[in-house]
Amino acid sequence: GENVEQHPSTLSVQEGDSAVIKCTYSDSASNYFPWYKQELGKRPQLIIDIRSNVGEKKDQRIAVTLNKTAKHFSLHITETQPEDSAVYFCAATSFSGGYNKLIFGAGTRLAVHP
Amino acid sequence: DTAVSQTPKYLVTQMGNDKSIKCEQNLGHDTMYWYKQDSKKFLKIMFSYNNKELIINETVPNRFSPKSPDKAHLNLHINSLELGDSAVYFCASSQDSVVGVSYNEQFFGPGTRLTVL
Repeated sequence: GENVEQHPSTLSVQEGDSAVIKCTYSDSASNYFPWYKQELGKRPQLIIDIRSNVGEKKDQRIAVTLNKTAKHFSLHITETQPEDSAVYFCAATSFSGGYNKLIFGAGTRLAVHP
Repeated sequence: DTAVSQTPKYLVTQMGNDKSIKCEQNLGHDTMYWYKQDSKKFLKIMFSYNNKELIINETVPNRFSPKSPDKAHLNLHINSLELGDSAVYFCASSQDSVVGVSYNEQFFGPGTRLTVL
């Protein structure tokens, strides 16, 4: 069945460094790839998304890249800050009976140390 | 203004009991979802409704029964609770989910932490 793999499961960086999280997906028909941030005890919140007709998207310190041929997409966070510490989830759409659903990766716990 | 709300926030109950979680969205969205997040933080879709109709029903025990009285509300009833049901349950909504329509952001509720003793 459809699957989204996410790596690494944990990531520890120093404040100011960059962080990269990578995902691969299995459904070649996937066309929407969101990234969610979940702080401790809170709800997942969308931070950036990309559609299949775009290869890269940037929003201030975060960027996402998509390689449809390889079925890879990545999240890049530059100049990390302690408030970036959270669990990050990638996701990809998958078709189910005429409707789309999101398949989530297992999450990456990012720790940014001052 | 809370976009997606859930009640209760916490639910502690004994094995074998029946409980319900309620969800409401005021975004005017057509599609609502229930997700289960286990202790390892894995987020897995359980059900989805589009305009009050069940459209996605993942491999979930039939002790779980969703109900959508209108497109702004989606409730989850769980019968005969088991220890393994302990998790955080998130409700979410999105504008639409029909194939061929541009997919949009899912907005999540605050979650309901269910603990079965």
